[in-house]
Amino acid sequence: DTGVSQNPRHKITKRGQNVTFRCDPISEHNRLYWYRQTLGQGPEFLTYFQNEAQLEKSRLLSDRFSAERPKGSFSTLEIQRTEQGDSAMYLCASSPRPKGGRSSYNEQFFGPGTRLTVL
Amino acid sequence: AQSVSQHNHHVILSEAASLELGCNYSYGGTVNLFWYVQYPGQHLQLLLKYFSGDPLVKGIKGFEAEFIKSKFSFNLRKPSVQWSDTAEYFCAVNSNSGYALNFGKGTSLLVTP
Repeated sequence: DTGVSQNPRHKITKRGQNVTFRCDPISEHNRLYWYRQTLGQGPEFLTYFQNEAQLEKSRLLSDRFSAERPKGSFSTLEIQRTEQGDSAMYLCASSPRPKGGRSSYNEQFFGPGTRLTVL
Repeated sequence: AQSVSQHNHHVILSEAASLELGCNYSYGGTVNLFWYVQYPGQHLQLLLKYFSGDPLVKGIKGFEAEFIKSKFSFNLRKPSVQWSDTAEYFCAVNSNSGYALNFGKGTSLLVTP
């Protein structure tokens, strides 16, 4: 399978614990995105990497959230001191380097997501 | 503020009926427009996209969408739906100056046999 993969697929944790999710993008994609999706809502943007550089962060990404992409390949999203409001599906997407035209051309390919439940 | 609105949250159709799902956005400047679909138990998949050129775009599985710039709309259509089209449909927009996709809340489509 050459699509975007995410691990774990499900995570149940107690309030106050730290959790870390991993995303492996499509191998030739240099752009990586994290989104959060709650029930009845569309995905909401969290952050964006181009190679290893984190270029954009949403105001949704509080101080308890941190994302890394150390070698420009896989990425991790860590949530510290989880709260019940963090319960959601966390989605990762990747897109290839633009081949021409608009620099923002970014057909994003999504992974299956990690469903987080905070008790 | 930039936003994406999907008018119908739940749609129920019989097989062979025609489908139109509304999407409006409020963005200044040039935009890129997308429709994604999420089948039950599966991840988001791209149905179709518009960047420039012909405002009528065709996607997979017989879907098409029309970009009407004057109405800030990008409605999704299919002439005849099938039971297998039962899914959640999301309209998404990104501006030419950004990389994040801004999604609507989605429309849940149920097609009955």
